[in-house]
Amino acid sequence: DVKVTQSSRYLVKRTGEKVFLECVQDMDHENMFWYRQDPGLGLRLIYFSYDVKMKEKGDIPEGYSVSREKKERFSLILESASTNQTSMYLCASGRDGLYEQYFGPGTRLTVT
Amino acid sequence: AQKVTQAQTEISVVEKEDVTLDCVYETRDTTYYLFWYKQPPSGELVFLIRRNSFDEQNEISGRYSWNFQKSTSSFNFTITASQVVDSAVYFCALTYYGGSQGNLIFGKGTKLSVKP
Repeated sequence: DVKVTQSSRYLVKRTGEKVFLECVQDMDHENMFWYRQDPGLGLRLIYFSYDVKMKEKGDIPEGYSVSREKKERFSLILESASTNQTSMYLCASGRDGLYEQYFGPGTRLTVT
Repeated sequence: AQKVTQAQTEISVVEKEDVTLDCVYETRDTTYYLFWYKQPPSGELVFLIRRNSFDEQNEISGRYSWNFQKSTSSFNFTITASQVVDSAVYFCALTYYGGSQGNLIFGKGTKLSVKP
């Protein structure tokens, strides 16, 4: 079974803090993704990576950065958290572009 | 433009009823893939099915069935004899051969509530 794990289920941070969300997959997938999910807006892609050290912007990259130093790990970084980044963050991994993605349990981030 | 529309925002049924979740997609590509995901209240999206654009055969898996019709650009999902455990948000998604490395295009989701 594919397993995608995320470092925290719930996180509360203060405005201006630097926030790291970690994601690890155990299936040797090339592609990894970060989404945020908000009521009424569905899932929106923040960034994805198709190889180690490679990244591409998704639909809403502003205010975020990512890091992929190892194939199994993909980190999402909020350089200076703001209240409008309060959301559910979902990590996913997949074989290649035309195959299904497997999702982690999500991190519900609250920025106060 | 590539787009997925799930017109039903919320559906409520009583246990044992059959329910169909609609999905309509738009793409200019001839090679594309369609998916359904389930998101139960726990939050984790669970992959249900992947179909390619060249395979229009309907698929059945237990109480779940999928009807893919290219003529109407639809990929509908039916749950037969629904159960309370089917309560979740269901997402339809699309990716296509010319797309960017597996960028899934999701619909907004349909929230299904199955009442006992």
